[in-house]
Amino acid sequence: AQSVTQPDIHITVSEGASLELRCNYSYGATPYLFWYVQSPGQGLQLLLKYFSGDTLVQGIKGFEAEFKRSQSSFNLRKPSVHWSDAAEYFCAVGGTGTASKLTFGTGTRLQVTL
Amino acid sequence: GAVVSQHPSRVICKSGTSVKIECRSLDFQATTMFWYRQFPKKSLMLMATSNEGSKATYEQGVEKDKFLINHASLTLSTLTVTSAHPEDSSFYICSASARLSYNEQFFGPGTRLTVL
Repeated sequence: AQSVTQPDIHITVSEGASLELRCNYSYGATPYLFWYVQSPGQGLQLLLKYFSGDTLVQGIKGFEAEFKRSQSSFNLRKPSVHWSDAAEYFCAVGGTGTASKLTFGTGTRLQVTL
Repeated sequence: GAVVSQHPSRVICKSGTSVKIECRSLDFQATTMFWYRQFPKKSLMLMATSNEGSKATYEQGVEKDKFLINHASLTLSTLTVTSAHPEDSSFYICSASARLSYNEQFFGPGTRLTVL
């Protein structure tokens, strides 16, 4: 069965500081990996995704993530956090089938202090 | 591109009534649509997967008679919460994927259901 672990429930960083959100996954085949961001009361916005190829993927809003197969990880990073980045971040893993389900982690709430 | 809408964005209903939530893919044909439920400060729980013209596949523990899903066209899926009760109050989010989108799911903005 596929699963995603986001070990950090809540993270607080200062504006301008760097950020890394951790994500570990379990999947029996080649995974498709995603990071989504959710603001309160809103739907999910895709930050970035990994399907194949270069293991360092760039996303929107200055975010990037690195796929490390040996560690089953797909950590999200940003070199300098902005106050507007405060939100809930979800890592998700899916398969290659047309109707492949996504399994989400429990989310990491990011708080940004000024 | 790849916009998914949901209607209504917020609904309040009385206990015992039924509520229908619509999910539309506005600029692409969605071969598969997914319905999720999200409890406060919790992750998304997949309720069911639906393919156009087929019966929905429900996840274990989800009552198919309570949460009726219809995917009548390639751009529209509906979720009907029948005989709603306060415990059905939640944030419902749909997503849609297209055959050529490498299984990426595009999410709607969600519907907040409150059952009094």
